[in-house]
Amino acid sequence: TQLLEQSPQFLSIQEGENLTVYCNSSSVFSSLQWYRQEPGEGPVLLVTVVTGGEVKKLKRLTFQFGDARKDSSLHITAAQPGDTGLYLCAGGAGNMLTFGGGTRLMVKP
Amino acid sequence: DAGVIQSPRHEVTEMGQEVTLRCKPISGHNSLFWYRQTMMRGLELLIYFNNNVPIDDSGMPEDRFSAKMPNASFSTLKIQPSEPRDSAVYFCASSRRTRAQHFGDGTRLSIL
Repeated sequence: TQLLEQSPQFLSIQEGENLTVYCNSSSVFSSLQWYRQEPGEGPVLLVTVVTGGEVKKLKRLTFQFGDARKDSSLHITAAQPGDTGLYLCAGGAGNMLTFGGGTRLMVKP
Repeated sequence: DAGVIQSPRHEVTEMGQEVTLRCKPISGHNSLFWYRQTMMRGLELLIYFNNNVPIDDSGMPEDRFSAKMPNASFSTLKIQPSEPRDSAVYFCASSRRTRAQHFGDGTRLSIL
């Protein structure tokens, strides 16, 4: 079974701070996806990375896939209250995804 | 475009009753997934269909759970008989070959 561990599990910060969320596995994945989930809704895809060492930026969010395709990170610059939510990484193998346990982020104004 | 549609949004029922959750995937998507989310276990894949055929049901907890996909636009997840430990949020997701999964807003199930 492929497992994905996310850290930290919980993060509470002030508006304007920077943060990094990590997603680690002992397995190699063909792709890695990051989702954000808000209360009462399903997860929404933020980004997909497929190449080892790949870096993608989405406004203030920077996603990186590890060189060995076993880990990934999400960095948020100058966090805002609207960034509050549950961030999930998911490793792809074929058509299926294995989800990490999530990082619950709260950004206080 | 309409996203993945799940019904009901909320279900409260007594232990032992049959529960049926419904999902309409996005038109043109050929893969459908049922997940269960709890605080303790996170988001777990229950079953995965491709072109209406069940491909992997290794995540289905036990025989009380069953899922069907009679056509490309409809799927059901049934629990019979239901137990309090089945209480969770159940999500349906669909995708095309890109593997980007689109989730519905879930069914919050409470078994008393």
